[in-house]
Amino acid sequence: AQTVTQSQPEMSVQEAETVTLSCTYDTSENNYYLFWYKQPPSRQMILVIRQEAYKQQNATENRFSVNFQKAAKSFSLKISDSQLGDTAMYFCAFMKRGLNNAGNMLTFGGGTRLMVKP
Amino acid sequence: EAQVTQNPRYLITVTGKKLTVTCSQNMNHEYMSWYRQDPGLGLRQIYYSMNVEVTDKGDVPEGYKVSRKEKRNFPLILESPSPNQTSLYFCASSLSGLAGGPSGELFFGEGSRLTVL
Repeated sequence: AQTVTQSQPEMSVQEAETVTLSCTYDTSENNYYLFWYKQPPSRQMILVIRQEAYKQQNATENRFSVNFQKAAKSFSLKISDSQLGDTAMYFCAFMKRGLNNAGNMLTFGGGTRLMVKP
Repeated sequence: EAQVTQNPRYLITVTGKKLTVTCSQNMNHEYMSWYRQDPGLGLRQIYYSMNVEVTDKGDVPEGYKVSRKEKRNFPLILESPSPNQTSLYFCASSLSGLAGGPSGELFFGEGSRLTVL
């Protein structure tokens, strides 16, 4: 079984600054995907960024980038130039790759609540 | 508009009163699943369905039932709700059950807040 740990229950950052959210995971799988989801107060789950474990290059999406360290089983999210709209709960999640018994099951961390201050 | 629709969005009920949370998707997705979200635990999968008439248990299935009679609908049934089922529930779907590829991207509904007194 997989586990995902987010050790920072809450964080805050000043608008326009950079913040990094931590995530570690434990798995015996070699092929998998990692995700960061954003959940604003509206409760909608929004996919922020996705990393394929077999790719060494870190994924980026505009102001969002990850630091993927496969050997250390670490997957942190960096948000640059933080904006007020980034205020949300952020979840790190793991998914085994390929057709498997649980299909597209995501294993989530407990979440990090991020507050962006003006 | 492509979407996953859940109803009701909010519900307060009492212990033992059967309830159903509906989920419908308009994207012709094969794969659908239910998660519950609890503070500090993130989201945990309750049940999933790879296709019509094919369902299976996730990590926390106790106290829940599902059915998949049609491709677009995947209702979550609580036969005898208990206070420990107070939670935020999400339905999600993807084009296929092939994990992680473009066809495996999960689309989430807006969540249903359930309180059992």
